[in-house]
Amino acid sequence: DQQVKQNSPSLSVQEGRISILNCDYTNSMFDYFLWYKKYPAEGPTFLISISSIKDKNEDGRFTVFLNKSAKHLSLHIVPSQPGDSAVYFCAASGYRGSQGNLIFGKGTKLSVKP
Amino acid sequence: NAGVMQNPRHLVRRRGQEARLRCSPMKGHSHVYWYRQLPEEGLKFMVYLQKENIIDESGMPKERFSAEFPKEGPSILRIQQVVRGDSAAYFCASSPPRAGTDTQYFGPGTRLTVL
Repeated sequence: DQQVKQNSPSLSVQEGRISILNCDYTNSMFDYFLWYKKYPAEGPTFLISISSIKDKNEDGRFTVFLNKSAKHLSLHIVPSQPGDSAVYFCAASGYRGSQGNLIFGKGTKLSVKP
Repeated sequence: NAGVMQNPRHLVRRRGQEARLRCSPMKGHSHVYWYRQLPEEGLKFMVYLQKENIIDESGMPKERFSAEFPKEGPSILRIQQVVRGDSAAYFCASSPPRAGTDTQYFGPGTRLTVL
């Protein structure tokens, strides 16, 4: 029973274009969402997060959008660069309910072609 | 400012042996989390610890697995009598002690292979 779903296992984008990675969740108690980037044989690297009281958070080339009514969030990367090629994980937390553990999706492998 | 450190990076054990995985959190962080990643899967939460306390172990298998975070030294994830199904990447994360801070910073992981 997956509470956080990333339905696209892979995404291929041309360098310079926008990458949009999607994530859906089922638990309305989640109140904090994060995106991590992971290279092979390394640990996940924190990218950007958003609280449920916001609908958008921006950090440089990365923007996360949250649609609470649809229980959907997305990560936009613009412009995409070859170094962005990695697996991207969406994660959710219901801090007060779950005491801090993150629930992860299965990841989307992004390939940015030069 | 060193990040989360884990050792060993790779660990090979035969069935029935014990595996000990160590994690040193980032400086100033007092919350430690352990996650397991099976091939082609996302990370699955195992246990959440603060110094000398297990806060949430709802993701830990009931048998053979234990975790500790002593007052001094690293956090240890211990797997007794390993089986082939324990082969996975084990990641440790840490976060600062402020309440409500959910951003967790991950170590490079320990890749456990059970022969």
